[in-house]
Amino acid sequence: EDKVVQSPLSLVVHEGDTVTLNCSYEVTNFRSLLWYKQEKKAPTFLFMLTSSGIEKKSGRLSSILDKKELSSILNITATQTGDSAIYLCAVRLIQGAQKLVFGQGTRLTINP
Amino acid sequence: DAGVTQSPTHLIKTRGQQVTLRCSPKSGHDTVSWYQQALGQGPQFIFQYYEEEERQRGNFPDRFSGHQFPNYSSELNVNALLLGDSALYLCASRAQGPGTDTQYFGPGTRLTVL
Repeated sequence: EDKVVQSPLSLVVHEGDTVTLNCSYEVTNFRSLLWYKQEKKAPTFLFMLTSSGIEKKSGRLSSILDKKELSSILNITATQTGDSAIYLCAVRLIQGAQKLVFGQGTRLTINP
Repeated sequence: DAGVTQSPTHLIKTRGQQVTLRCSPKSGHDTVSWYQQALGQGPQFIFQYYEEEERQRGNFPDRFSGHQFPNYSSELNVNALLLGDSALYLCASRAQGPGTDTQYFGPGTRLTVL
């Protein structure tokens, strides 16, 4: 059975701290890994990773995929209260509808 | 450019009733997927529609059914509602073809079954 596991499940830090969120996967027919931020309802797209070892960056957020270790990390530097959200990791499969298999999410809380 | 839209935003039903949720994909997208997100969990794939046909289905019973219309919009129907069907139902759309891995999500419909 395809599985995506995120850790930690919950994280509370102070504004200005740097955080690292982890995602590991065991799936057949891996195509890509995606990170989403979910604040209220709609998950919003952050990154898509397909190649191992290539870092994607957007402002204070960055992510990298390690296909050998079947994992990915999402880094957020100089955190702000607006970064408080649930961060979802999903793996897209090659076959069929290429569905997304999601992890449970990491709830990140940034305290001022 | 309108993103993915869903209606209604909230819905309260009682056990045994039936419900229909609606989704309009992002402009230029022709593929719609539905996900169920229970409280504290990640979204789970229900099914995907492309060219008005169901392409793949997740581990959901036949009480969950769907439809896609010629304008690419979609409906999710759930019959004989159970308490456990209470969840946020998310619709995601994308285009077919190379370089279209990214799925864009709508704001969801919060379904409460009493």
